[in-house]
Amino acid sequence: SQQGEEDPQALSIQEGENATMNCSYKTSINNLQWYRQNSGRGLVHLILIRSNEREKHSGRLRVTLDTSKKSSSLLITASRAADTASYFCATDPQQGGKLIFGQGTELSVKP
Amino acid sequence: DTAVSQTPKYLVTQMGNDKSIKCEQNLGHDTMYWYKQDSKKFLKIMFSYNNKELIINETVPNRFSPKSPDKAHLNLHINSLELGDSAVYFCASSQGQGVGQPQHFGDGTRLSIL
Repeated sequence: SQQGEEDPQALSIQEGENATMNCSYKTSINNLQWYRQNSGRGLVHLILIRSNEREKHSGRLRVTLDTSKKSSSLLITASRAADTASYFCATDPQQGGKLIFGQGTELSVKP
Repeated sequence: DTAVSQTPKYLVTQMGNDKSIKCEQNLGHDTMYWYKQDSKKFLKIMFSYNNKELIINETVPNRFSPKSPDKAHLNLHINSLELGDSAVYFCASSQGQGVGQPQHFGDGTRLSIL
């Protein structure tokens, strides 16, 4: 079964607002990654958080990881129209040897 | 310079035909992957190669055959195409053998079966 599930499936906000996306997973992991996919393009790696880390920042991105709840969140602050894309979490399970992707959150940022 | 490039970008063909998709990466990575993304954007791994050796082979019909002539190239050949093969196919690469490394994706090949 699918490892990662994302919530919400779709999110529409105004430019300047913050966007929060959540990811839940089922098994123990080595790390969790977030990717962005613009329409008609490939996935772009945003940030990787290891299982022993609780929070990580990269520019306007903030990722948290709660291994006890098996969940992660991606916060994009001060969103821009260019942030409009699908965002995917991907887990690297301790057992399995492959990245498993969630079904993504479709973010729409209106100018 | 494009890091991971796939050709063709679009592929429209008839059911029953055989087709190939090519992938090349210029990042010097050791590991390459093929993924299939369906119409609901669900992304699933198909194959993974490390230094030309197959390391992941998911439950993919044997009509799909990957070939890695060298570690910078991973091609995908599909025989007897079926309607259900319509999807976007992504090639990706990463450093080292650990799948936990960040992956770099091509822009995809959109395959449509008529």
